[in-house]
Amino acid sequence: AQSVSQHNHHVILSEAASLELGCNYSYGGTVNLFWYVQYPGQHLQLLLKYFSGDPLVKGIKGFEAEFIKSKFSFNLRKPSVQWSDTAEYFCAVRGNNRLAFGKGNQVVVIP
Amino acid sequence: EAGVAQSPRYKIIEKRQSVAFWCNPISGHATLYWYQQILGQGPKLLIQFQNNGVVDDSQLPKDRFSAERLKGVDSTLKIQPAKLEDSAVYLCASSLDQGQGYTFGSGTRLTVV
Repeated sequence: AQSVSQHNHHVILSEAASLELGCNYSYGGTVNLFWYVQYPGQHLQLLLKYFSGDPLVKGIKGFEAEFIKSKFSFNLRKPSVQWSDTAEYFCAVRGNNRLAFGKGNQVVVIP
Repeated sequence: EAGVAQSPRYKIIEKRQSVAFWCNPISGHATLYWYQQILGQGPKLLIQFQNNGVVDDSQLPKDRFSAERLKGVDSTLKIQPAKLEDSAVYLCASSLDQGQGYTFGSGTRLTVV
């Protein structure tokens, strides 16, 4: 079964700063990759996904992620964060029809 | 389109009691998932249905948890008897098929005291 690692569980940064969240997975087969966001009091929402093709994926709200197959990574980035980006971010990997999540990154953006 | 509906939103029960959660997926979505999200952790898959058949229940604690999706549409997840460590948010998700993205419901927050 696959596993997903997210580091730096708590991230605090100021508005306009750049954000990068790391995601590494372990699975030897074909994978689909996802980043989900959970705003306070809301349900999980899909930010972006990678199935195939261009490894640089652009999602909603200015987020992007890059799939690096050799590093088993799918890092999330945003060049300039806003206060409204305060949320928990989850990386998820589907392999063998099972979707596994990382533990999440709690991101707090200070105005 | 309407999202994934879950009820109740919150539930508080005493240990050893039983509880049931309900999920209505997006219309036409054949695949339905139940996840358990314990505070500070990512969601963990409990069970996956394809129409009314179980695809994966390898992480479901079958001694106390059960789930069904009798008509291939809505689903119920039951815990009997509940333990303190079952306190978590129970998320339901659905997808058009196993190869597509997932849509999550708002979840049911269970507190076992």
